[in-house]
Amino acid sequence: QVTLKESGPALVTPTQTLTLTCTFSEFSLSTGGIRMTWIRQPPGKALEWLARVDWNDDKFYSRSLKTRLTISRDTSKNQVVLKMTNMDPVDTGTYYCARMYWWSLDSWGQGVLVTVSS
Amino acid sequence: QAALTQPASVSGSPGQSTTISCTGTSSDVGGYNYVSWYQQHPGKAPKLMIYDVNNRPSGVPNRFFGSKSGNTASLTISVLQAEDEADYYCSSYTSSNVWVFGGGTKLTVL
Repeated sequence: QVTLKESGPALVTPTQTLTLTCTFSEFSLSTGGIRMTWIRQPPGKALEWLARVDWNDDKFYSRSLKTRLTISRDTSKNQVVLKMTNMDPVDTGTYYCARMYWWSLDSWGQGVLVTVSS
Repeated sequence: QAALTQPASVSGSPGQSTTISCTGTSSDVGGYNYVSWYQQHPGKAPKLMIYDVNNRPSGVPNRFFGSKSGNTASLTISVLQAEDEADYYCSSYTSSNVWVFGGGTKLTVL
């Protein structure tokens, strides 16, 4: 059974860099067609796509957040890491990692709530 | 990349059907058959309901049906059941090789 789990700090101070880790099992990010994605959701608001890393290590970012985001993968540990710099209170929300098999998000983690506050 | 446009809310009675629309542009919904739909219950992670416009993953009831015409995709849920009450999001691949979500639609089963 495919599982994904996000981990990271629940509270971040403004201007800090957020580092989130997604640890997954029962599949490999080296398999063709597999992509890993980060999505976030502010409280009570819609989903927002953030970044993606593909099986061949291609990386893509949200246009509006591109300068603040870095996605990376460690295939030996079955992990994907997202870094977001210069955190602001508007970045508060639940951050999800999800597996994308070809063109849809077929498995999601439970999400991690990140609050940005001083 | 602007979000796809969905109605904020729709409703229906048990046993009836309802349709949620998702409007984009020729650079996303209209240009590719990579539209997917997600169901999200309160406090839960989204769940894939439809992929590649009109395909259902294993385990999703055939009451859920996806379609597309031009720049607008639609999710139709027939024979509404109480457990269908949730938020629904559409998503599409875009010409910029990034993804975009809709603003979400709250389905209320009356």
